[in-house]
Amino acid sequence: AQSVSQHNHHVILSEAASLELGCNYSYGGTVNLFWYVQYPGQHLQLLLKYFSGDPLVKGIKGFEAEFIKSKFSFNLRKPSVQWSDTAEYFCAVNPAHTGGFKTIFGAGTRLFVKA
Amino acid sequence: GAGVSQSPSNKVTEKGKDVELRCDPISGHTALYWYRQSLGQGLEFLIYFQGNSAPDKSGLPSDRFSAERTGGSVSTLTIQRTQQEDSAVYLCASSSRARETQYFGPGTRLTVL
Repeated sequence: AQSVSQHNHHVILSEAASLELGCNYSYGGTVNLFWYVQYPGQHLQLLLKYFSGDPLVKGIKGFEAEFIKSKFSFNLRKPSVQWSDTAEYFCAVNPAHTGGFKTIFGAGTRLFVKA
Repeated sequence: GAGVSQSPSNKVTEKGKDVELRCDPISGHTALYWYRQSLGQGLEFLIYFQGNSAPDKSGLPSDRFSAERTGGSVSTLTIQRTQQEDSAVYLCASSSRARETQYFGPGTRLTVL
């Protein structure tokens, strides 16, 4: 069965530190890739997505992610985090063979940024 | 509407009772998803509706769970004879079409005593 692995369940950083959250998936075919974020008290919302083209995608609030097909990875990065980045981050994969409906989510990574 | 809405926001019920959870998707969105998020877990796919096509029910954990979508808009998730392990946050999302960005509602927190 397809799965999505997020390597870190909890991450604590100081402001201005660099961030990288790992995401690996187990599906060999064509995929759409997403990172969603849930800020405290808010709905899940899209941070960025990759469908095709340049494997380095940029999202909101200075986040970016790189799709490395050979490694089945889609890691999220930010050069300098802010206190307001404290949130839970979810990687999601949409395997093409399902017709697009069964999006598989990782377990999430809780990020806490110390001011 | 401005976004996806869900009701109720919280539901406390006794084991064995039936519950209905409602989702109003963004107007015009043809795709609608239900997920379950248990404490410390990721989002577990439950069911998907796309337009007038037959729904993908492959994620429903048991036959106690069912869902319908009336008129291609509002959806209701029904859990019959609730069990304590059904306690979770139930999230609804919609998208303009399959494989596109999903817009999530605030969720319904279900507690089964």
